[in-house]
Amino acid sequence: DAVMTQSPLSLPVTLGQPASISCRSSQSLVHSDGNTYLNWFQQRPGQSPRRLIYKVSNRDSGVPDRFSGSGSGTDFTLKISRVEAEDVGVYYCMQGTHWPRTFGQGTKVEIK
Amino acid sequence: EVQLVESGGGLVQPGGSLRLSCAASGFTFINYYMTWVRQAPGKGLEWVASIKQAGSDKYYVDSVKGRFTISRDNARNSLYLQMNSLRAEDTAIYYCARGVTTYDYCGQGTLVTVSS
Repeated sequence: DAVMTQSPLSLPVTLGQPASISCRSSQSLVHSDGNTYLNWFQQRPGQSPRRLIYKVSNRDSGVPDRFSGSGSGTDFTLKISRVEAEDVGVYYCMQGTHWPRTFGQGTKVEIK
Repeated sequence: EVQLVESGGGLVQPGGSLRLSCAASGFTFINYYMTWVRQAPGKGLEWVASIKQAGSDKYYVDSVKGRFTISRDNARNSLYLQMNSLRAEDTAIYYCARGVTTYDYCGQGTLVTVSS
């Protein structure tokens, strides 16, 4: 299985400051079709997961441009350029390249 | 507007069965793989099962193989999860999601509690 390891697991951030979450896979996430199926999800308290980023760096419609994804192969990063109060929640990376699909443990973002 | 509405959750005893449903609307259901994802209380997300458009191919996480069956009725725009031999560790919110390499829409979830 492709084990997804996120760090840090807890991220206290000051409003307006940047934040960065790392996600590492135990296997390359490059699919045989050439795509890299690495996704990022946000789960706000009491809500269901919402996709933010797909295929490493493609931002979903309606997602603020302060969110960006990058990386390749086994190492990926989600960055928030300036954290806002509405960004509080848990962030998960998830790989869609290999079976079984696997998620990272989640990173809890909170305001200092 | 894409909508996924889960139902069928509840309290069930260990060893019991439950059938979850997901009603899909706002898109052409038959064009998409569909997936179940779950989240145990206070825990992270876990992929459970996925089914191909025509229902021919199905994939499961090892912990539910032989106990859970994913199915779909494309005429009714519905996704199902038949859960048998339920265990305490199956207690979770179960989300219906659209897609296979990524999940662009998730429902609000239905809570399954396995307890005596």
